[in-house]
Amino acid sequence: AQTVTQSQPEMSVQEAETVTLSCTYDTSENNYYLFWYKQPPSRQMILVIRQEAYKQQNATENRFSVNFQKAAKSFSLKISDSQLGDTAMYFCAFTNAGGTSYGKLTFGQGTILTVHP
Amino acid sequence: SAVISQKPSRDICQRGTSLTIQCQVDSQVTMMFWYRQQPGQSLTLIATANQGSEATYESGFVIDKFPISRPNLTFSTLTVSNMSPEDSSIYLCSVEFASSPDTQYFGPGTRLTVL
Repeated sequence: AQTVTQSQPEMSVQEAETVTLSCTYDTSENNYYLFWYKQPPSRQMILVIRQEAYKQQNATENRFSVNFQKAAKSFSLKISDSQLGDTAMYFCAFTNAGGTSYGKLTFGQGTILTVHP
Repeated sequence: SAVISQKPSRDICQRGTSLTIQCQVDSQVTMMFWYRQQPGQSLTLIATANQGSEATYESGFVIDKFPISRPNLTFSTLTVSNMSPEDSSIYLCSVEFASSPDTQYFGPGTRLTVL
């Protein structure tokens, strides 16, 4: 079974600074996808960034980038130039590319990020 | 971009009653899923909603408690039956589009409180 671990229950950062959220996962699969989702107080789950395991290049989306270390099974999220609107719960998630658990997203426990003015 | 809506957005229900939650997408999707998020917790997959056939349930979730329908490619319902306070959670639907397989997009969620 796949597991996803986020070891930081809470993080805080000053506006305009950079913060990194950690995520590790465990799987025996070779082909899979990793995601970071953001859940603000409105509770809407918003996709932040997506990484395909077979791609060595780290994904980036504007101020958001990941450090994907496949051998170490690590998938951290870096937020640059933090904004007040980045305040939210961030979830790391994993899904197999196929097989019997196709489509099942496994989530980490979440990290509450607070951006201070 | 596609719009995913859920109804109701929130509800307060009495124990022993049932509530049906609707998930509607304004374009066709390939996959639809239902998740539960208990207070202060992460998301757990309840089931995959299959179009025209019975849903596929995850371990710990049964059809009698969480009946699911998916009559077409854009609509699904989840019913929470015979509710107890332990069912108080946020229920979220998610979908996959043919243009971006293996990536799930979520509806706004339904906050359910059972008294």
